Amino acid sequence: ETGVTQTPRHLVMGMTNKKSLKCEQHLGHNAMYWYKQSAKKPLELMFVYNFKEQTENNSVPSRFSPECPNSSHLFLHLHTLQPEDSALYLCASSPGRDYTGELFFGEGSRLTVL
Amino acid sequence: DAKTTQPPSMDCAEGRAANLPCNHSTISGNEYVYWYRQIHSQGPQYIIHGLKNNETNEMASLIITEDRKSSTLILPHATLRDTAVYYCIVGPLSGSARQLTFGSGTQLTVLP
Repeated sequence: ETGVTQTPRHLVMGMTNKKSLKCEQHLGHNAMYWYKQSAKKPLELMFVYNFKEQTENNSVPSRFSPECPNSSHLFLHLHTLQPEDSALYLCASSPGRDYTGELFFGEGSRLTVL
Repeated sequence: DAKTTQPPSMDCAEGRAANLPCNHSTISGNEYVYWYRQIHSQGPQYIIHGLKNNETNEMASLIITEDRKSSTLILPHATLRDTAVYYCIVGPLSGSARQLTFGSGTQLTVLP
């Protein structure tokens, strides 16, 4: 138990569907992250939020839309995805702005796009 | 560009020490060495980090060479649950998360 909870753990969606991934952290952290891990590829940083404000967008296609309503919750809204977007999506948190020390990861949401 | 080099895979007998090497010859003075591990289909788990002194916690020990160009993560008594991909990362303590680049890591298999 890392204190970072992701739901759903598994998601299958068609290319025309709209779905959302949810992340919640119970650690009192102020920074939250979305990472993507495709099969046999390293983790890729997608988005970073500090104190609810987006501070990093790593050239992610607009079909991925993040939302951070408060420091404890992070969403990734998905629409018109492609099969190559199938991957493990990981949420992480850390204490605060610009702190790159220990990251706390959730267990991930396994996404399959048909 | 990869900032660390790790062997792709290693085996270790259960109960023995697992020594995982990492080369980081281009490490900068303000960069730390971080170790994470990822058990299959789970999120990465932080293990330990250090700047230049050796570090130990309840999970592992980190030995950093004096010139800081390489390090070794030591799991003193490996168990089957330690089977995972181990990532060695170098980066600053503060800055952009973009600076923490996860490479391919070392697949450690603990054998019964």
